[in-house]
Amino acid sequence: DAGVIQSPRHEVTEMGQEVTLRCKPISGHNSLFWYRQTMMRGLELLIYFNNNVPIDDSGMPEDRFSAKMPNASFSTLKIQPSEPRDSAVYFCASSPRDRGRHSYEQYFGPGTRLTVT
Amino acid sequence: GQQLNQSPQSMFIQEGEDVSMNCTSSSIFNTWLWYKQDPGEGPVLLIALYKAGELTSNGRLTAQFGITRKDSFLNISASIPSDVGIYFCAGLKNTGNQFYFGTGTSLTVIP
Repeated sequence: DAGVIQSPRHEVTEMGQEVTLRCKPISGHNSLFWYRQTMMRGLELLIYFNNNVPIDDSGMPEDRFSAKMPNASFSTLKIQPSEPRDSAVYFCASSPRDRGRHSYEQYFGPGTRLTVT
Repeated sequence: GQQLNQSPQSMFIQEGEDVSMNCTSSSIFNTWLWYKQDPGEGPVLLIALYKAGELTSNGRLTAQFGITRKDSFLNISASIPSDVGIYFCAGLKNTGNQFYFGTGTSLTVIP
């Protein structure tokens, strides 16, 4: 079975540019999560969706960050404009919300390593 | 912010030795997950725990959900070089859908 797919795997951009990260969750999963990982702060939840609807975006750093989930198989995380402090690894994860207690098990993608210069 | 304290922060062990690590919190959690992350990859789910006192194994890995519901433990028996990586715990509270992640335990296995 295909796992969570993220693209690109690496992104290097200049400060001020727009960055779009993409995620395809596992088929049949109806919850999707965006995380950011840095050495200083570890894994931080940015936003999560249930059935394509954003539920909690309190972890989104500021208005420069936005996320969308237009359908069950695709989500984007956009940073506009990007800043050097946004450099981090961004992970997407999905979980099967309607499978009893297993509904909370999150499966992570390989991540996108973002470097903003 | 982080609500889970994971220890030890790092471990250096000889191949064949057993490993123990734990995750503690001042809050009660209803679900505990343990993940392993290899360099350049995303965390991979190892074990999920749903009930206080529950003991679950996955090969050489055994994890326990603490009785107080404020902690969890992961043991690895007879370590091998491919066990190298960073191990994270994650806890889910009664309300909401947000997991809180520990700071990670970095494991190095010396052949």
